[in-house]
Formats: sequence, structure tokens, C-alpha cells
Amino acid sequence: NAGVTQTPKFQVLKTGQSMTLQCAQDMNHNSMYWYRQDPGMGLRLIYYSASEGTTDKGEVPNGYNVSRLNKREFSLRLESAAPSQTSVYFCASSTRDLGYTFGSGTRLTVV
Amino acid sequence: AQKITQTQPGMFVQEKEAVTLDCTYDTSDPSYGLFWYKQPSSGEMIFLIYQGSYDQQNATEGRYSLNFQKARKSANLVISASQLGDSAMYFCAMREGGRTDKLIFGTGTRLQVFP
Repeated sequence: NAGVTQTPKFQVLKTGQSMTLQCAQDMNHNSMYWYRQDPGMGLRLIYYSASEGTTDKGEVPNGYNVSRLNKREFSLRLESAAPSQTSVYFCASSTRDLGYTFGSGTRLTVV
Repeated sequence: AQKITQTQPGMFVQEKEAVTLDCTYDTSDPSYGLFWYKQPSSGEMIFLIYQGSYDQQNATEGRYSLNFQKARKSANLVISASQLGDSAMYFCAMREGGRTDKLIFGTGTRLQVFP
């Protein structure tokens, strides 16, 4: 099925470990996003990419890096995980005419 | 400054009744879009309804309608004939005009439908 695929779905990290969250879309969307969702905070934008080769900071970029590898893929990297980064992470993609499609989320726990 | 405000952390409604979920927004851009999403306990984000800032009529999608009051900067979601399956978190979101399509969310309202 067409859509946004995120991997992994669940991950437990120790403080200080690094990891990359992967996201891929097959809808030929130009724009891609990474959000985090915390209780009572809604979804907050971490980084976004308006097109291949460009990335911009969102509301809460500290502690994260991103790579727009090609039009399909947009990865989120935590270089040194902290307990404050325990959250549910959503990737999304969009086209202005057809709206937004979200992945199923990655539940990350940092201990 | 917070751009999307949802002031109702939780709402209760009886099955078959209508419910209104509030959303106010703040923008100086004349071109923007307003979205509502549903997030059930399973966690996925489900698109419900969209309203463009230049749309003359309120958007409707089945049992969902958006009460758009531009001068008051409000975009309330109305769910008619509530069903038990409507129990979920509901998020209001806004996309401003300009070169990017980034979507900014409110903090959400948890709706519980009881029999």
C-alpha cells in the first residue's frame, strides 16, 4: 500500500546511545517532516524538508539531526540520546494539493 | 507564540449527540489551511476535514463539519450523531502560506463517547 513507512516501530536506548529513525514515502511528495508527540503537548515539529536537498529546523530541533537522502527518504538521527527524548516520533509527507500522510509512529524510550 | 489553541483537554458526549471541539488560531498570513485529525488509541493520525482560508463555505465530510469563523480566528470541529468509535484524541492544525507546507498542531482534545 502507498504511504509513509517508518522503522523501527519500537526502540529502547540507553542514555548516550545513538540511533537513526528511518522514514520513506512512495507518493512522490516533495515535503517531509519529523514530529514528536508527548503527553499534553500535541505534535511538535522537529525538522522538515520542503524538497530534496533542503532541510529546516522546526520548533524543537535540539538534539536531532536529519538527512533528506533522496525524494523518498528522510531520516532522523539522535547522536546522544537523553531521557528527555523519550517520545513517539511521527514522520509525514505532503503535497499542497493532496494534504498530509503520516507514518504509524516510532515509540522510543531512553533509559 | 502558540499559533493553535485547543482549550478543552477533555470532552464527554453521549452517543448520538452532537459535540463541538474548539480550536482558535493565530496568523497574519492571509493564505492558510486548517485541518482536523483524529488519533485513536492505536496511535495513527487520521485526516478528518480541511478548510482553506479563502473557502466561502464551511467544510463538511460526512458527520464532520468545520465551523469556520474567520474574523474570530476559530475553526471548531462539529461531530454530529456521536458514535462510540469517535472516542479518541482530536487535533487541530494549521498550515500557513509561503514556501513551506509545515503543519503546526494544537495540544489536542480527548473526546470520550459514552452509551
